Amino acid sequence: QKEVEQNSGPLSVPEGAIASLNCTYSDRGSQSFFWYRQYSGKSPELIMFIYSNGDKEDGRFTAQLNKASQYVSLLIRDSQPSDSATYLCAVFNPIIQGAQKLVFGQGTRLTINP
Amino acid sequence: GAGVSQTPSNKVTEKGKYVELRCDPISGHTALYWYRQSLGQGPEFLIYFQGTGAADDSGLPNDRFFAVRPEGSVSTLKIQRTERGDSAVYLCASSPSGTRYTGELFFGEGSRLTVL
Repeated sequence: QKEVEQNSGPLSVPEGAIASLNCTYSDRGSQSFFWYRQYSGKSPELIMFIYSNGDKEDGRFTAQLNKASQYVSLLIRDSQPSDSATYLCAVFNPIIQGAQKLVFGQGTRLTINP
Repeated sequence: GAGVSQTPSNKVTEKGKYVELRCDPISGHTALYWYRQSLGQGPEFLIYFQGTGAADDSGLPNDRFFAVRPEGSVSTLKIQRTERGDSAVYLCASSPSGTRYTGELFFGEGSRLTVL
């Protein structure tokens, strides 16, 4: 089992609709969760992070965390063509001695259709 | 510069050759990471430096891979006897880190390595 799992997609969503991206993780000690966006040929950039169970909203983006189910999601409202990218879920466990690393999922490729 | 700088941006080499990839992090960032990203995959952790020392090198795939950060700033990833399977984009990232880890990594544009 991979530490962080995402559906690789591609996920195709019409412009203006809600895009829903999902991620599950295996390490129950994980405490911090991140969504990075990566445009084709570019490096990843952080768009959201969440530490607590529940929802966190930032503009058109909402991150949702359920630690009991080991599940984190990202919702993008009013999707725009510029949202077309690969979305990477990343997880951090600060407790493991010396393991100061983010573990990434394989990413979900999202396409917003005009 | 303001961001993480990686050189070269592209490197084509032959199987068995030695390769060095350089990373210049954001000024003042004490933490530096190397990741490797293959096509269609997420970044795969290789090694993490806090200052000059490698705090976690558990992701290095074998002893052909080595990284240094002698003065706590610029880092070099060294790959000996390259193999075709080493072909990937090598991403460097830095973060201010210190005593509080936020998880936000600032990535460079990567070095694309192709081993023929």
